[in-house]
Amino acid sequence: EAQVTQNPRYLITVTGKKLTVTCSQNMNHEYMSWYRQDPGLGLRQIYYSMNVEVTDKGDVPEGYKVSRKEKRNFPLILESPSPNQTSLYFCATGGGINSPLHFGNGTRLTVT
Amino acid sequence: AQSVTQPDIHITVSEGASLELRCNYSYGATPYLFWYVQSPGQGLQLLLKYFSGDTLVQGIKGFEAEFKRSQSSFNLRKPSVHWSDAAEYFCAVGDSGGYQKVTFGTGTKLQVIP
Repeated sequence: EAQVTQNPRYLITVTGKKLTVTCSQNMNHEYMSWYRQDPGLGLRQIYYSMNVEVTDKGDVPEGYKVSRKEKRNFPLILESPSPNQTSLYFCATGGGINSPLHFGNGTRLTVT
Repeated sequence: AQSVTQPDIHITVSEGASLELRCNYSYGATPYLFWYVQSPGQGLQLLLKYFSGDTLVQGIKGFEAEFKRSQSSFNLRKPSVHWSDAAEYFCAVGDSGGYQKVTFGTGTKLQVIP
C-alpha cells in the first residue's frame, strides 16, 4: 500500500528546543515537499526536494531546515522553534507530473 | 509569482443541491491546476487535475472542473451534493515543471445540511 508516514502526529514543545518531524514514503518518489497549514492561509510550501541531496526553498523556509540523504526520507528540522511555528505540517510526495501528490496525515505542532 | 484565490471561505448547501466552488489563479503561462479535498484530521486527496486538452475535467466522487483561460478560473462543480462531501476544498496551481512549486489557495470549507 502506498504510504506517506509522518511522525509524530502531535507534538507539544517549548521555545528553543530543537525538534525533527520525520517523513517517509514507500513509493520510490523523487519529489518530496513540506507544507504548513494555518487557518485562513491554506497550505504554504516550506521546502521541497527533487531528488537525493537536492533541496530548495519554498515560500516560507525561515526557521526550518531539511535534508534528503535517502530517497524515502525527508525530515523537517526546527533548530530553535518559536510560537509562530505552531501549525499543522504536511509532507507530500510526487511520482511525476501525471501522478497526484500523496500527502501524509499531518503533524500538529504546538510551540509554547 | 503564481497565486490562487478562493473567494469563498465557507459554503453551506443542502444535500442533493448542486455545488460550485470558485477558484481564480494567476500564472504567466499555461497553468497546471488541481483540486484537492481534505477531510477532518486527514491529509489532502486529489480530486482532479488539468494539464492540457479538454477544458472540462472529470474527477473522482462525481466532481468536475472547467478551465476557463479568459477568466483565469478553474471552478469545481458537482450536480448533487452528498453529506459525505462535507470537507475543505483546496484549489492549487503548479508551474510548468510540475511539482517544483505548487501553490494552494486558502481553501473553502463546505458544510452540507440535510
